[in-house]
Amino acid sequence: SQQGEEDPQALSIQEGENATMNCSYKTSINNLQWYRQNSGRGLVHLILIRSNEREKHSGRLRVTLDTSKKSSSLLITASRAADTASYFCATVISGNTPLVFGKGTRLSVIA
Amino acid sequence: EAQVTQNPRYLITVTGKKLTVTCSQNMNHEYMSWYRQDPGLGLRQIYYSMNVEVTDKGDVPEGYKVSRKEKRNFPLILESPSPNQTSLYFCASRPSGGGGTEAFFGQGTRLTVV
Repeated sequence: SQQGEEDPQALSIQEGENATMNCSYKTSINNLQWYRQNSGRGLVHLILIRSNEREKHSGRLRVTLDTSKKSSSLLITASRAADTASYFCATVISGNTPLVFGKGTRLSVIA
Repeated sequence: EAQVTQNPRYLITVTGKKLTVTCSQNMNHEYMSWYRQDPGLGLRQIYYSMNVEVTDKGDVPEGYKVSRKEKRNFPLILESPSPNQTSLYFCASRPSGGGGTEAFFGQGTRLTVV
């Protein structure tokens, strides 16, 4: 069952601009994670935000979580061509339940 | 180096010929899982394992088997592959824990069944 749904499906921006991707989910969660995937490669973990947190930062990444709206957003500031990839949100309902992924947002950063 | 290793990376096979995709992790993680990735469908979980000898079905388990005899290995078995199992497969591992932990992914196995 697909828990997370990213929006938009695809996003194209110029280098230096900010990129915002959104994720909505259906049930209460323990935590939400964002992953990045370069074309056809394995996924790489970017950031984890717990259900009792509202915002987290990691370098140029900023993640927010609104549990009342069951949504999260990932902001990449000052984007670079190397940020071109697909980005997935994944939710964990409780500590030992599986990660459930959305379908992803494909980001293209044009130099 | 901490890693999840899948083999093979690419495989072309014929319908009905049994195959095994291996997955091994060197991080002593309890939790391992298999996903398939198809265009427009994202990642869907096939099977997962919370520890040795404990496995459970994910969202799309039909046509697949797994085993977890050792903590580090979690092979995916296709007893009789069919063309609809052509896909990109990923193995992942993470520590178990109530607080939530990140998952580590293998580099993927691109399977084509003709």
